[in-house]
Amino acid sequence: GAGVSQSPRYKVTKRGQDVTLRCDPISSHATLYWYQQALGQGPEFLTYFNYEAQPDKSGLPSDRFSAERPEGSISTLTIQRTEQRDSAMYRCASSLLSVGGTGELFFGEGSRLTVL
Amino acid sequence: SQQGEEDPQALSIQEGENATMNCSYKTSINNLQWYRQNSGRGLVHLILIRSNEREKHSGRLRVTLDTSKKSSSLLITASRAADTASYFCATVDNYGQNFVFGPGTRLSVLP
Repeated sequence: GAGVSQSPRYKVTKRGQDVTLRCDPISSHATLYWYQQALGQGPEFLTYFNYEAQPDKSGLPSDRFSAERPEGSISTLTIQRTEQRDSAMYRCASSLLSVGGTGELFFGEGSRLTVL
Repeated sequence: SQQGEEDPQALSIQEGENATMNCSYKTSINNLQWYRQNSGRGLVHLILIRSNEREKHSGRLRVTLDTSKKSSSLLITASRAADTASYFCATVDNYGQNFVFGPGTRLSVLP
């Protein structure tokens, strides 16, 4: 697509429920990132994918968080048994897989999660 | 954890003045990038400076990089009200894959 698309834009859920957030990156972009951003803070790295491979998931806060990108395109971030501290903006970004590492990130508008 | 640390945390200036924001980091990098975020929207890439570069310009933006001090600065000249936003530096590791953002500087440009 023309830009990075995330859905839903807003999600309100009750504590203990599972939520799945979706990211549709720019179609030519091999690399996809998930970040968590609290209000007034910078994005905190969660995980990233090169195509369908997931080289680094060290930023996922707990085993309740998981991400997939099974066909190397659309990705989902799932949070199981949500807790109030999971409330945040979740941002997806994509990038060309560039030789020399000088790609830039293109961000979606984010999914705002509120856990009651 | 965040590697880049911007300062100041917040900056308020009059339209037409210059705004300078600084970023410090801890580990070796491939490049450093600056992004802007308008009021909760997605971040937008502004400029990239490679580790072997010392200064770069783009329009009203000037970025410097001092790898010996592990620091960078972003200068916005002749600021406009539309420049009001949060500005983040992001360091990119030597593999070119890991982007680590700082906490940002919130810039307010008063008309």
